[in-house]
Amino acid sequence: AQSVSQHNHHVILSEAASLELGCNYSYGGTVNLFWYVQYPGQHLQLLLKYFSGDPLVKGIKGFEAEFIKSKFSFNLRKPSVQWSDTAEYFCAFGNTGGFKTIFGAGTRLFVKA
Amino acid sequence: DTAVSQTPKYLVTQMGNDKSIKCEQNLGHDTMYWYKQDSKKFLKIMFSYNNKELIINETVPNRFSPKSPDKAHLNLHINSLELGDSAVYFCASSQASGDTQYFGPGTRLTVL
Repeated sequence: AQSVSQHNHHVILSEAASLELGCNYSYGGTVNLFWYVQYPGQHLQLLLKYFSGDPLVKGIKGFEAEFIKSKFSFNLRKPSVQWSDTAEYFCAFGNTGGFKTIFGAGTRLFVKA
Repeated sequence: DTAVSQTPKYLVTQMGNDKSIKCEQNLGHDTMYWYKQDSKKFLKIMFSYNNKELIINETVPNRFSPKSPDKAHLNLHINSLELGDSAVYFCASSQASGDTQYFGPGTRLTVL
């Protein structure tokens, strides 16, 4: 079955700490991979995406993610988090022609000032 | 200019009532979606439409009836509302299936 697993449900960090959020997907074909962010009280917006090419992708606000095909993983990283990064982060994958994007359960990140 | 808009933003109603949520996108996208986000923030796909045609219905009760009058609109009508329908409902659109999705601001539905 197609699924996305996010390893951490809640993460609490202090400002300037490094962040890594784990994401693994289950699908045998070619996928498009996404990280979306939902700031408190707001809608989801795209943080970064991978469709093809360089497996290390950079997104907004200093975030990056690495696609490791052999591990079916697409982990999100940021070297130094800020208080304003407090949000819910969703990993997702879609497959062209599938008309459905599968979302993970989300990771709630709280950054202490 | 808002890319994906939803109305209303908040909806409070009694059990058993019928309500509608409207969604419009001005991005020229072909595919539109409805998602339900529960209190634990879990995001679940409900429906997917492509060029006004229903593509995916994720075993949603038939009390929920989406309608797409044109490619830019995907409305959601809910009959006989139940307590368990309380959630935030997000509309989204994408240029093609599997592509980046653009989300609306959400409609917080509270059923009393």
